[in-house]
Amino acid sequence: AQSVTQLGSHVSVSEGALVLLRCNYSSSVPPYLFWYVQYPNQGLQLLLKYTSAATLVKGINGFEAEFKKSETSFHLTKPSAHMSDAAEYFCAVSVTGANNLFFGTGTRLTVIP
Amino acid sequence: ETGVTQTPRHLVMGMTNKKSLKCEQHLGHNAMYWYKQSAKKPLELMFVYNFKEQTENNSVPSRFSPECPNSSHLFLHLHTLQPEDSALYLCASSLSSGRPLSSYNEQFFGPGTRLTVL
Repeated sequence: AQSVTQLGSHVSVSEGALVLLRCNYSSSVPPYLFWYVQYPNQGLQLLLKYTSAATLVKGINGFEAEFKKSETSFHLTKPSAHMSDAAEYFCAVSVTGANNLFFGTGTRLTVIP
Repeated sequence: ETGVTQTPRHLVMGMTNKKSLKCEQHLGHNAMYWYKQSAKKPLELMFVYNFKEQTENNSVPSRFSPECPNSSHLFLHLHTLQPEDSALYLCASSLSSGRPLSSYNEQFFGPGTRLTVL
């Protein structure tokens, strides 16, 4: 079975500061890993995905994530937070041969001016 | 219209009402999904359709009844719901690489229907 754990349901950073959102996964087989963002009153939008190619994945809006098998982690980072980054972020895991995505509980990012 | 659309965006219903949620995708996909998003809980996959066939029912109560008449449309029929069913219901679509899937295909989400059951 697959699952993800997102540490911290709320994260606040100052504008211009580093953003770090944590995600740890559990999977008995090599996983696919994803970060989605949800802005208020909108659906989920894919930020980036890891599909067993490069371990450092670059996504949209300046975000990136690094797959670390030894730590079973896929943390999301952005060097400098922007006000427009305020949203809810979801980590998700899937495996080959399955439609299913297993989501974490989400982390709400607040950016302080 | 582009992407994945959902109607209505907001719905308030009593426990004895019958209503339907509609999802339409304009992306040429052949897999469609219903998710339930409740506060402080992970998104829950409810149903999956591949090529109009239901391939996943994640132990969803029978008061939720999905319908997929074609690869572009997905409905969720609701009847005798409970207040705990109040949530944001998200529809998504993706390409399906066949059965069984050989690789992951990105899911594209609609904006959701905010459902309140009184």
